[in-house]
Amino acid sequence: DAKTTQPNSMESNEEEPVHLPCNHSTISGTDYIHWYRQLPSQGPEYVIHGLTSNVNNRMASLAIAEDRKSSTLILHRATLRDAAVYYCILSSPLLNRDDKIIFGKGTRLHILP
Amino acid sequence: EAGVTQSPTHLIKTRGQQATLRCSPISGHTSVYWYQQALGLGLQFLLWYDEGEERNRGNFPPRFSGRQFPNYSSELNVNALELEDSALYLCASSLQRYTEAFFGQGTRLTVV
Repeated sequence: DAKTTQPNSMESNEEEPVHLPCNHSTISGTDYIHWYRQLPSQGPEYVIHGLTSNVNNRMASLAIAEDRKSSTLILHRATLRDAAVYYCILSSPLLNRDDKIIFGKGTRLHILP
Repeated sequence: EAGVTQSPTHLIKTRGQQATLRCSPISGHTSVYWYQQALGLGLQFLLWYDEGEERNRGNFPPRFSGRQFPNYSSELNVNALELEDSALYLCASSLQRYTEAFFGQGTRLTVV
């Protein structure tokens, strides 16, 4: 079972910011929060990841709640090319961790022109 | 630098046959993951190999198996193919356990 919960779908207007939420109430202290996205007919691609502090890269920003039980992926200015399924997953660098690296169903993001 | 490559791109088999899918990770990556994605559905975790050993597997029957070679490339074998095995099979690699993973474009397996 997925350890994260995301809305099934979201809509946003082009050129506006998008906030994609993810709940992970059972997160452990060593779990990193990763976001991937899958564009139509393509394999998933890495977007961003973080542990405790907010993170920024050229694609997006990741805001992590203080208790780490939720996070938000922020696309600052959505374009039509951002229409994809966004997956939030937890992963840990611990050895011997019985973690099956589960992808949930993700959030299908629709961008309206 | 080459990304994760998978072969073949498409594969058509008949029910009961065996399929072999191949994955070449990014140079230097030691972890390889396999996922199944049926049409319109999410990614289902199949197998994880690291340093040549199977580290974990998802809830799939034993007829799904694989291996990782000394050069870290990997093979996924599916025996006794069933119609419901038709799906996109994705391979990903990462530098270390659970770090950023890079996905290939997948092998589309069709069982008829």
